[in-house]
Amino acid sequence: GAVVSQHPSWVICKSGTSVKIECRSLDFQATTMFWYRQFPKQSLMLMATSNEGSKATYEQGVEKDKFLINHASLTLSTLTVTSAHPEDSSFYICSARVGQGNSPLHFGNGTRLTVT
Amino acid sequence: GESVGLHLPTLSVQEGDNSIINCAYSNSASDYFIWYKQESGKGPQFIIDIRSNMDKRQGQRVTVLLNKTVKHLSLQIAATQPGDSAVYFCAERAMNRDDKIIFGKGTRLHILP
Repeated sequence: GAVVSQHPSWVICKSGTSVKIECRSLDFQATTMFWYRQFPKQSLMLMATSNEGSKATYEQGVEKDKFLINHASLTLSTLTVTSAHPEDSSFYICSARVGQGNSPLHFGNGTRLTVT
Repeated sequence: GESVGLHLPTLSVQEGDNSIINCAYSNSASDYFIWYKQESGKGPQFIIDIRSNMDKRQGQRVTVLLNKTVKHLSLQIAATQPGDSAVYFCAERAMNRDDKIIFGKGTRLHILP
């Protein structure tokens, strides 16, 4: 149980274009999902909290107009990287939890974004 | 602040030996801790968790120890196997941070044949 599916697993795009990444909870409902970014040989950094039916909350330093998050249903959150630049190239990983705050996050398998 | 590791420390362990991976945290409001395993190109995989009202928890081949006095967490893996090779992250939830899960720096576990 508690499977989180992320799509696509990798994407290459040109500078200036936008890329959408989907995150789905397959066997549970998630009112909250979390988006992380991970650069090579580094830890996961929380970007934003996606809230079903309301606006996402972003961590300090993360541009909300650049990283658009939509959580339209209890099983789907999307992250759109707008006007992508090479420095946006990274590993983007979504997660969701079953239950309350003292339960673990379950992660998707990530999306490797390369901006050329 | 956020933990960002610029260079992951590496722990090399002989196959069959026990591994101990350590983690320090700074937020005294953290009340829930999780260990994750991340293999190359994949998302983190849950290993074991512990709440702050406990100091030890055991799973299959893994044990987590929590010392709140010195804000230290450790993951012990018994009889390390080649499949244990991965990067291990501790993560914490702080009640004063909207229940967010924040990751530590990570340690790469390398298994020697």
